[in-house]
Amino acid sequence: IAGITQAPTSQILAAGRRMTLRCTQDMRHNAMYWYRQDLGLGLRLIHYSNTAGTTGKGEVPDGYSVSRANTDDFPLTLASAVPSQTSVYFCASSETGSTDTQYFGPGTRLTVL
Amino acid sequence: QKEVEQDPGPLSVPEGAIVSLNCTYSNSAFQYFMWYRQYSRKGPELLMYTYSSGNKEDGRFTAQVDKSSKYISLFIRDSQPSDSATYLCAMKNGGSNYKLTFGKGTLLTVNP
Repeated sequence: IAGITQAPTSQILAAGRRMTLRCTQDMRHNAMYWYRQDLGLGLRLIHYSNTAGTTGKGEVPDGYSVSRANTDDFPLTLASAVPSQTSVYFCASSETGSTDTQYFGPGTRLTVL
Repeated sequence: QKEVEQDPGPLSVPEGAIVSLNCTYSNSAFQYFMWYRQYSRKGPELLMYTYSSGNKEDGRFTAQVDKSSKYISLFIRDSQPSDSATYLCAMKNGGSNYKLTFGKGTLLTVNP
């Protein structure tokens, strides 16, 4: 079944550790996105990539980095995790174009202690 | 004023009821309007997608956009327990801006 996969499903991480959340899509979408979802704050965009080789900052980029080496993969890295990064992380993808909408992965639940 | 406002609920209705979910927005540049459904511990899934003012119907779901009032609605007819989820409105500008702005979501429970 075509779609977006994310790994891991959940993770408990000690503060200060480095962590990479993985995201892979098989729909050949050009654009990909990372969001975090927090109770009372909704979905907030962390980083995005309009096409392979390019990335951009979203609403809450601090403490996170991304890379887009190819069309299918869009990993999100927390260089030194802090408790405020405890959240549910969703990867999404879309075709480029103003009428195209985003399709979401199942999410990664991250707890930073 | 936040760009998108959505009543978080929770909203609890009996099975078979008509449900109305709403969002207001302040950015006149928004042209595309979406409703996502998110089941507990799952990712959001696209439910309805509309452009311009008016109504769009898909089965038991109707999306309504009123650009003059900056107000969008999602109506669910004959609601079912399987409709119990969080409903998120989302909207975006036209052109090359792909950024979606989300409401915070409304938690709906349909009781059998």
